[in-house]
Amino acid sequence: DAGITQSPRYKITETGRQVTLMCHQTWSHSYMFWYRQDLGHGLRLIYYSAAADITDKGEVPDGYVVSRSKTENFPLTLESATRSQTSVYFCASNPGQGAVYEQYFGPGTRLTVT
Amino acid sequence: DQQVKQNSPSLSVQEGRISILNCDYTNSMFDYFLWYKKYPAEGPTFLISISSIKDKNEDGRFTVFLNKSAKHLSLHIVPSQPGDSAVYFCAASGFSGTASKLTFGTGTRLQVTL
Repeated sequence: DAGITQSPRYKITETGRQVTLMCHQTWSHSYMFWYRQDLGHGLRLIYYSAAADITDKGEVPDGYVVSRSKTENFPLTLESATRSQTSVYFCASNPGQGAVYEQYFGPGTRLTVT
Repeated sequence: DQQVKQNSPSLSVQEGRISILNCDYTNSMFDYFLWYKKYPAEGPTFLISISSIKDKNEDGRFTVFLNKSAKHLSLHIVPSQPGDSAVYFCAASGFSGTASKLTFGTGTRLQVTL
C-alpha cells in the first residue's frame, strides 16, 4: 500500500525484552520521525532521521535505538523494554524539500510492556 | 518545559456552532504552526497551517489565527459538525540539528453534539 505503514499495530511484551517497531514509507521522503503519545504529554519526539544513515536524538531518546539503512525504512528498537515505555508510537515522514513543514503520520503501534 | 501548550483538555460544542481551540507557545523562534486532527486508533492527520509572517489562514470551515505578540494561535471551525469530534493537536515548527522538527501541544478533545 502506498503511504506510511507501521507494524505491528499492537504488541504486548515483557519487561527486559527487546522489541522492534517497524516503519515503512513509499514516498521516498527524506525525513522520518518517531514519536510517542502519552496522556498529558501529547506527542514527543524520540528520534529522527534526515536521510539514510543520518539519525539524531529527539526529546526523549533514552532506552531507544534507531537505524536507517534504506530511505524507506526507519525501525525503532527498545533494547530492554520497561513499563514506562508502554505507549502509542507513531512514525512520520516529511519530504524535506521546499517549504513543506507538514509531517505525514502512520497509523501507530500500541505497545504494552508488562 | 512545555513550549507549546493547549490549556483546554476538552471542549464540547453544539452542531452548527463555532468551535474555538486555543494554543500558546513560548519559543519565539518557531516559524510555522500547524494543526493536526486525530481520531481514535489512527495517526494524526494534517489539517491546516500558518506561517509566522501571516496572521490568518483559511481553508473551508477551518481558520487559523496567529497573534505573534501574544504567542497565541487559535483554530476556528465554523460550522462545527459531528465528524469534527476528535483530538486536535497544535504543533510548532523550528529548525535545530539536522531537521525542522515539530513540537506538539497536549491536545484538546473536541466533542460536537447534536
